[in-house]
Amino acid sequence: GESVGLHLPTLSVQEGDNSIINCAYSNSASDYFIWYKQESGKGPQFIIDIRSNMDKRQGQRVTVLLNKTVKHLSLQIAATQPGDSAVYFCAENTDDYKLSFGAGTTVTVRA
Amino acid sequence: DAGVTQSPTHLIKTRGQQVTLRCSPISGHKSVSWYQQVLGQGPQFIFQYYEKEERGRGNFPDRFSARQFPNYSSELNVNALLLGDSALYLCASSLGLAGVISYEQYFGPGTRLTVT
Repeated sequence: GESVGLHLPTLSVQEGDNSIINCAYSNSASDYFIWYKQESGKGPQFIIDIRSNMDKRQGQRVTVLLNKTVKHLSLQIAATQPGDSAVYFCAENTDDYKLSFGAGTTVTVRA
Repeated sequence: DAGVTQSPTHLIKTRGQQVTLRCSPISGHKSVSWYQQVLGQGPQFIFQYYEKEERGRGNFPDRFSARQFPNYSSELNVNALLLGDSALYLCASSLGLAGVISYEQYFGPGTRLTVT
């Protein structure tokens, strides 16, 4: 079964505000995590990744935080834009060859 | 640079039929993975191939099979289709460096399979 899950299935955010998407994982042996964005009718798009030896990693308008103590991962999106509306998945590396995905959080940006 | 490409885009099949889906990885990538994504859920791992060998298999019945060719492209075959096989089938490629194949997987647009 899946070892990665998301706290909330949906998130509504005002344009320009910051978004925080949360994810809990159960496999303490996981050493690599990825956030993907999936727009309707498309495949998942790589956003940002983080290895287990890091607590924080920043990209363009996005930050991923990893708390291994409580097995929690979050994605922060700064100044959310309408184009950020999508389903966001966190995924973890459970073996050397596969990723395990959670069910996803649907983010809707209000104008 | 071209990303991961998949064909066909959409496919409609009848129960009991067989289907073949195709994937071309990003140039230089040697690993291809297949995932099934049912509507409203996250992708579920089916297979991974690296250097033409199967390196991992998910919890799917033997009706599902795959292979990887010398040019690193891949095919996923599903026999005796069931209604429950209706899903988006995603292919992902990665470099496969340092023996850790799943890192930095890049997905294609998927093939939407509908079984009636």
